[in-house]
Amino acid sequence: DVKVTQSSRYLVKRTGEKVFLECVQDMDHENMFWYRQDPGLGLRLIYFSYDVKMKEKGDIPEGYSVSREKKERFSLILESASTNQTSMYLCASSALAGETDTQYFGPGTRLTVL
Amino acid sequence: GQQVMQIPQYQHVQEGEDFTTYCNSSTTLSNIQWYKQRPGGHPVFLIQLVKSGEVKKQKRLTFQFGEAKKNSSLHITATQTTDVGTYFCAGPRGNKLVFGAGTILRVKS
Repeated sequence: DVKVTQSSRYLVKRTGEKVFLECVQDMDHENMFWYRQDPGLGLRLIYFSYDVKMKEKGDIPEGYSVSREKKERFSLILESASTNQTSMYLCASSALAGETDTQYFGPGTRLTVL
Repeated sequence: GQQVMQIPQYQHVQEGEDFTTYCNSSTTLSNIQWYKQRPGGHPVFLIQLVKSGEVKKQKRLTFQFGEAKKNSSLHITATQTTDVGTYFCAGPRGNKLVFGAGTILRVKS
């Protein structure tokens, strides 16, 4: 079974803090993704990575950065957290580079920025 | 850019009633995927449709892909309380997926 894990289920941070969300997958998948989920807006892609040290912006990259130093790990960074970044953050991975494949999601991190 | 619209946003049904959610794309899709997210959970892959006019069934769930490959539907026959959750469709854009906003299904027992 594919397993995608995220470092925290719940996180509370203050405005202006630097926030790290970590995601690890154990199936040697090429692609990894970060989404945020907000009511009525579905899943919006923030960033994705198709290889180590490779990244591409998604639909809403502003205010975020990412890091993929190892194949199994994909980190989302909020350089200076703001209240409008309060959301559910979902990490996902998929097997094949350059193709659309089934995505496997982690349990999510619910981030609250005060 | 490519958009995937999903309706309705929310549906509340009596247990035993049928349920349908519809997905429409602004562009032709090579395939469409469906995911289910239980309350408090994360999205889980249900199925992928590839061929024009394709119909696939999983027990009480019937998935259809339109002839023009721009729309799709998920129909649940005789809903049960275990069907509650949010159902998402997703279409490919390059090597990414574009998700619909989801349909939230609530079932009254």
